[in-house]
Amino acid sequence: QQQVKQSPQSLIVQKGGISIINCAYENTAFDYFPWYQQFPGKGPALLIAIRPDVSEKKEGRFTISFNKSAKQFSLHIMDSQPGDSATYFCAASKAGTASKLTFGTGTRLQVTL
Amino acid sequence: NAGVTQTPKFQVLKTGQSMTLQCAQDMNHNSMYWYRQDPGMGLRLIYYSASEGTTDKGEVPNGYNVSRLNKREFSLRLESAAPSQTSVYFCASTLDRNTEAFFGQGTRLTVV
Repeated sequence: QQQVKQSPQSLIVQKGGISIINCAYENTAFDYFPWYQQFPGKGPALLIAIRPDVSEKKEGRFTISFNKSAKQFSLHIMDSQPGDSATYFCAASKAGTASKLTFGTGTRLQVTL
Repeated sequence: NAGVTQTPKFQVLKTGQSMTLQCAQDMNHNSMYWYRQDPGMGLRLIYYSASEGTTDKGEVPNGYNVSRLNKREFSLRLESAAPSQTSVYFCASTLDRNTEAFFGQGTRLTVV
């Protein structure tokens, strides 16, 4: 079963625009919600992460919004740039002895000039 | 720093052949993981090792075995490869629970 649902599958945004990717989760035991960025031929790299005790976290142009009651979280990329063109994955993990990540299915973002 | 290093980067196997994917990290991380990435399915956890000397199954362990050789190294073995195991395999490591996972560059495996 897909415990973390991600949308949209693909997204095209003009340079300078706002990119928004949404995720929804089912397991209320999840307590860590990272976003990963992946360029072709590379491994995923952590972009930003949030824990459920806060509703928003901002790092530069990237913001995570978190809604615990709705079991949803989203990534906002402000002033999107062509260099942001990549695949983005949301993920979640729960308390335990290791960070076992459950990933969404990914969003391919293309930022056009 | 090298971070997480995987070998090989590419491999083609015939159905029924066996092989071992190697992974090493130089960050003194406690936990290591193997994921597979398939189109439209994100990354799925195959096996993980919370600490040296322990291994546990993830979401899709069938057809695989792992060995945590020491704190640095975590290998993934396919005993009898099947076409369904055609995928990109990623090794990752974390220092502690719910901390940043560092991924290797991946191994693209094709089973024909």
